[in-house]
Amino acid sequence: NAGVTQTPKFQVLKTGQSMTLQCAQDMNHNSMYWYRQDPGMGLRLIYYSASEGTTDKGEVPNGYNVSRLNKREFSLRLESAAPSQTSVYFCASSEMGGGDQETQYFGPGTRLLVL
Amino acid sequence: AQSVTQPDIHITVSEGASLELRCNYSYGATPYLFWYVQSPGQGLQLLLKYFSGDTLVQGIKGFEAEFKRSQSSFNLRKPSVHWSDAAEYFCALKAAGNKLTFGGGTRVLVKP
Repeated sequence: NAGVTQTPKFQVLKTGQSMTLQCAQDMNHNSMYWYRQDPGMGLRLIYYSASEGTTDKGEVPNGYNVSRLNKREFSLRLESAAPSQTSVYFCASSEMGGGDQETQYFGPGTRLLVL
Repeated sequence: AQSVTQPDIHITVSEGASLELRCNYSYGATPYLFWYVQSPGQGLQLLLKYFSGDTLVQGIKGFEAEFKRSQSSFNLRKPSVHWSDAAEYFCALKAAGNKLTFGGGTRVLVKP
């Protein structure tokens, strides 16, 4: 089991460029999440997908869009990148059903620099 | 709204010494609480979690945490720190809905 995988690992963009961050999980989880990590602020939820076919905004959704392609894959798109989106992006997944099943497991992250 | 506070941004500890990381939360009911560790350049690894029951929770790598409802705290401890414990540690709370709220993190430096 690879767990949660993310591509790319690193990316440099110019302001205004677009890109898509890819995430896939092989744990058959229903729920998937995108977070961004900034120094001193921990991780903040951008978007999540409770189950295939559904997506919802998190704490900091502005400037992002997501697609739940299928049960395994959840992508994050920056349509017009801004320097404020320089961050480390983490994807996570979990099961549904309450209690221990809802523990989230994280990917290795994508480091994005917007110039 | 729920919140998580980690009061210590940085902690320096000598190898072999004990370590305690503080975590305070704000939430109206009993939360699910987690500690994650992030080694430099890596993703987050789950150390331990509290859902209910015994308030002293054992985790991986020799870590434990104690849930204290009266103090709204979930502090992480390790009796003897190893150099490989140098990392950033995050406390997180899962409230209603399956979304995590994270603290700002505590960076641990281990001196030889």
